[in-house]
Amino acid sequence: DGGITQSPKYLFRKEGQNVTLSCEQNLNHDAMYWYRQDPGQGLRLIYYSQIVNDFQKGDIAEGYSVSREKKESFPLTVTSAQKNPTAFYLCASLQRPYGYTFGSGTRLTVV
Amino acid sequence: AQRVTQPEKLLSVFKGAPVELKCNYSYSGSPELFWYVQYSRQRLQLLLRHISRESIKGFTADLNKGETSFHLKKPFAQEEDSAMYYCALGGETSGTYKYIFGTGTRLKVLA
Repeated sequence: DGGITQSPKYLFRKEGQNVTLSCEQNLNHDAMYWYRQDPGQGLRLIYYSQIVNDFQKGDIAEGYSVSREKKESFPLTVTSAQKNPTAFYLCASLQRPYGYTFGSGTRLTVV
Repeated sequence: AQRVTQPEKLLSVFKGAPVELKCNYSYSGSPELFWYVQYSRQRLQLLLRHISRESIKGFTADLNKGETSFHLKKPFAQEEDSAMYYCALGGETSGTYKYIFGTGTRLKVLA
């Protein structure tokens, strides 16, 4: 089954803690993206990577970091510098012109 | 700059009534437009692409370059159409291809 797998489904973070969200794809897509979804604000782009070992900041990159060491994997770290991390995080890969394939998301909550 | 506007946060219609979800965009190049849908407890999935000019689940969307719109339409709404709908614009900015999403419209189809 081809697709994108995000884990964990739910994640709880304590104040001052870094947490890493996993995103793995077996679609052989070059481009991968991380979005944050908040009620009433739609999807906002955090980081994206068009090729292995390369990535760019999106519109709301502050407090986040990523790596792209393998084509299949694009993990997102939410650092303690992110002041309002509670949100739903979506990972996607892209094959033009067919559009995005999304993962099922990770819900992060600060406790 | 790329921009997508979905003016309605919530649209409520009765079953059997026509539906139109509005989407306007701003982009200086040749746009690639998409509609994505998110049903309750399911992942975001592609509904329509403007390049394919297809009808999915009874929905259609026509790209109107003069009005810079890509409205989503269905002649007779069904209860199972209740979901969150996002319009997305794909385009190149500074040599990088990415999507911009609208803030979404929640469609509620009432029995």
